[in-house]
This record gives sequence, C-alpha cells and structure tokens, in this order.
Amino acid sequence: EPEVTQTPSHQVTQMGQEVILRCVPISNHLYFYWYRQILGQKVEFLVSFYNNEISEKSEIFDDQFSVERPDGSNFTLKIRSTKLEDSAMYFCAGDTGTSYGEQFFGPGTRLTVL
Amino acid sequence: KNQVEQSPQSLIILEGKNCTLQCNYTVSPFSNLRWYKQDTGRGPVSLTIMTFSENTKSNGRYTATLDADTKQSSLHITASQLSDSASYICVVSGRYGNKLVFGAGTILRVKS
Repeated sequence: EPEVTQTPSHQVTQMGQEVILRCVPISNHLYFYWYRQILGQKVEFLVSFYNNEISEKSEIFDDQFSVERPDGSNFTLKIRSTKLEDSAMYFCAGDTGTSYGEQFFGPGTRLTVL
Repeated sequence: KNQVEQSPQSLIILEGKNCTLQCNYTVSPFSNLRWYKQDTGRGPVSLTIMTFSENTKSNGRYTATLDADTKQSSLHITASQLSDSASYICVVSGRYGNKLVFGAGTILRVKS
C-alpha cells in the first residue's frame, strides 16, 4: 500500500538556522499539505499546495516559511530562521483533491530548536 | 471562529469494553467530518469520513455518528483492544474539503 514518507524523522537545529523538511507524497495525489503539532497540543494547518502554488495558508505560515515541489516528487517545507517556538512535529499530507477525499499523513518530522 | 471541541479529554477503559467519544464543532460552512486515530509520535490515520447527509458510518469496530443540525458527532468503539490505545481526533473540513480543522483529541487508554 502506498504511503507518505518524510525525512528526517528527527531534526535538531540551533535557533536562527535554516531547516528543510522533506516529504514524498503518494504518486497520484494532487494536493499537498503541511501541518504542525506542538507537543501536547492539537494539529494545526500550515499550508496547502496545488499545481505548484500555495492555495491556502494559515496565519502561522509567515515569511519565515516556504514550500516547494522542486522535482515533481519531493514536497519541502523550509523554515528560514528557526525560533524556539518552531519546535514541533511537522506532518506532510496529501490527497487527490476531491471534497471528501481522505488525506493521508506522513509519519512526521520532529523538529527541535535549541 | 471555527472550532472543534472534544470530550472527554482522556479516558481509561478495560479491554473488551465499549466507549463513546464526543465531538462538537462550530465550523461553517461545513463540508465533512472525519475521525482520525493518532498513535504517539505518528501521523494521524483516517477512520471515517462523513458528509452532512450521512448520519452514521462504520469501519470495523468503529462507528461514527453525525448530527449536522446540532453540529455534534460521536465515535463509538466496540469491544476495545489494547491496540486501540491512542488519541482519537475529530476533524472538520469547512470548505471544499481541503483545509482541516482539528480537535484536541481524546486520549484513550485500554488496559487489561
């Protein structure tokens, strides 16, 4: 059964450093998403991406964040200058774009900012 | 403000017993409601998806109900197993089914 993969599983970085989180979505998916979950809190929507552009983003997704799908396969989330409060689990998800389609989530990348 | 509230916050039950988790939402316009299971340190896995016209949907031992008029949903787990121990998250899609609004989840622990 196809699945969403994410790398790395755990990333530790110093405050102010840039990080890139990577995701390989399921091949027939057209919409891609990033979510984050701060430890002990609910999952929060960050951004949705379709046809090589952002379709919607939350207020969390400020200028420090960017997404791209450089090679038609990988889907990346970049944080330009990490802050302590960026420490969280980041989940990539995808679906085929139908209104009631199931979103498939990856296993997540745990980002720790020191 | 679009919100999803769940109760109880946590629950402990004995293996083999049934339980029901509750969800209330204020997301509008409403597209569909989903229940996800999230194991610790893992991504959420979909259990059920219901549109406004569906009142109940089952997936094995999981049965979800939806009352779109009162904006309430429940997830009933039958004959619980130790592997059911996880966080169960109610998720509502408010527009065209893409952006998801998550509840805080109910942490279920099944003990032997």
